[in-house]
Amino acid sequence: AQSVAQPEDQVNVAEGNPLTVKCTYSVSGNPYLFWYVQYPNRGLQFLLKYITGDNLVKGSYGFEAEFNKSQTSFHLKKPSALVSDSALYFCAVRPRGGNNRLAFGKGNQVVVIP
Amino acid sequence: GAVVSQHPSWVICKSGTSVKIECRSLDFQATTMFWYRQFPKQSLMLMATSNEGSKATYEQGVEKDKFLINHASLTLSTLTVTSAHPEDSSFYICSARESGSGARDEQFFGPGTRLTVL
Repeated sequence: AQSVAQPEDQVNVAEGNPLTVKCTYSVSGNPYLFWYVQYPNRGLQFLLKYITGDNLVKGSYGFEAEFNKSQTSFHLKKPSALVSDSALYFCAVRPRGGNNRLAFGKGNQVVVIP
Repeated sequence: GAVVSQHPSWVICKSGTSVKIECRSLDFQATTMFWYRQFPKQSLMLMATSNEGSKATYEQGVEKDKFLINHASLTLSTLTVTSAHPEDSSFYICSARESGSGARDEQFFGPGTRLTVL
């Protein structure tokens, strides 16, 4: 069975400081990895994905994520957080082949303090 | 990028009535659409997977007679909450997967529908 862990409930960071949102996963094989962001009462917006190749993936709004196969992690990072980055962030995995369904982590609320 | 719309964006209904939510892929064809339910400050829970022209596949614990899903075309799937009750109040999100293969099979999410049952 596939599972995604986002260990922190809420991440607080001062504006301008680096932001990290952690994600680890348990999936057989080499899954596809995703990050999505959700603003209040809105659907999910795609940030970035890892398919293959370079372990550092760059995405929308200045976000990036690093795939670490040995640690089965895919942490989301942004060098300098903005107040507008305050939102709910979801990590998701999808196995290659099989049922192709996304499995989501529980989400992390990010609060960027002005 | 591909756009998925949902209608309505919010709905309030009386207990016992049925509510239909539409999910459309606006600029691509989607052979597969997914319906999720999200409770406040929680993750998305997959309810069912809908394939065009065939019956939906429901996740364990989801009542198929309660949540009717129809995927009549490559751009439209509907979720009907039948005989709604207050405990059905939630945020319902659909997503559509663009037809393709391998890495191009991405899911695009709708903006969600807030259902409140009085």
